[in-house]
Amino acid sequence: AQSVTQLGSHVSVSEGALVLLRCNYSSSVPPYLFWYVQYPNQGLQLLLKYTSAATLVKGINGFEAEFKKSETSFHLTKPSAHMSDAAEYFCAVSDAASGTYKYIFGTGTRLKVLA
Amino acid sequence: DADVTQTPRNRITKTGKRIMLECSQTKGHDRMYWYRQDPGLGLRLIYYSFDVKDINKGEISDGYSVSRQAQAKFSLSLESAIPNQTALYFCATSAVLNEQFFGPGTRLTVL
Repeated sequence: AQSVTQLGSHVSVSEGALVLLRCNYSSSVPPYLFWYVQYPNQGLQLLLKYTSAATLVKGINGFEAEFKKSETSFHLTKPSAHMSDAAEYFCAVSDAASGTYKYIFGTGTRLKVLA
Repeated sequence: DADVTQTPRNRITKTGKRIMLECSQTKGHDRMYWYRQDPGLGLRLIYYSFDVKDINKGEISDGYSVSRQAQAKFSLSLESAIPNQTALYFCATSAVLNEQFFGPGTRLTVL
């Protein structure tokens, strides 16, 4: 069965510092992977997705993620945090093994940006 | 106008009441999903539908039912609400193999 683990339910960084949010997946087939962001009182918005093309994926708002098969990881990074990046971030894997491609979400990481 | 809409946005109800949450989409997608979000648990899938005649249970379907009235409409019902169904509920849509698009959510409180 496919699964996603997000390490760290809360992460704090200073404004201007590197953002690193960790995601590890388990999948028996090549995965489709996604990062979503949820701002307060809003729905989820797609940041970026990996669908077996380039392993370094660039998304919106300066975020990017690198697919590393050997480490089964898909960590999200941003070189310089802004106050507006404060939100909750979710990693998800698409259930390709069953053929349904429904999402399996991680438990989320809440990012706090300190002034 | 939003591509995925949910009504109501907020609802407070009492234990034992029947309640329906509605979702509509204008994206023309065949696939629709209902999730619930609880703090520290992420999003968990309740039901999903790949077309009007195809309804499937997700990981936490007990206590819920759904109806796919049309390609664009997917409703979630709680036949007899209980307090541990208090949560944030999201509807989502997708085309095959593509990302999911989420509605703004419904905050449900069961007293």
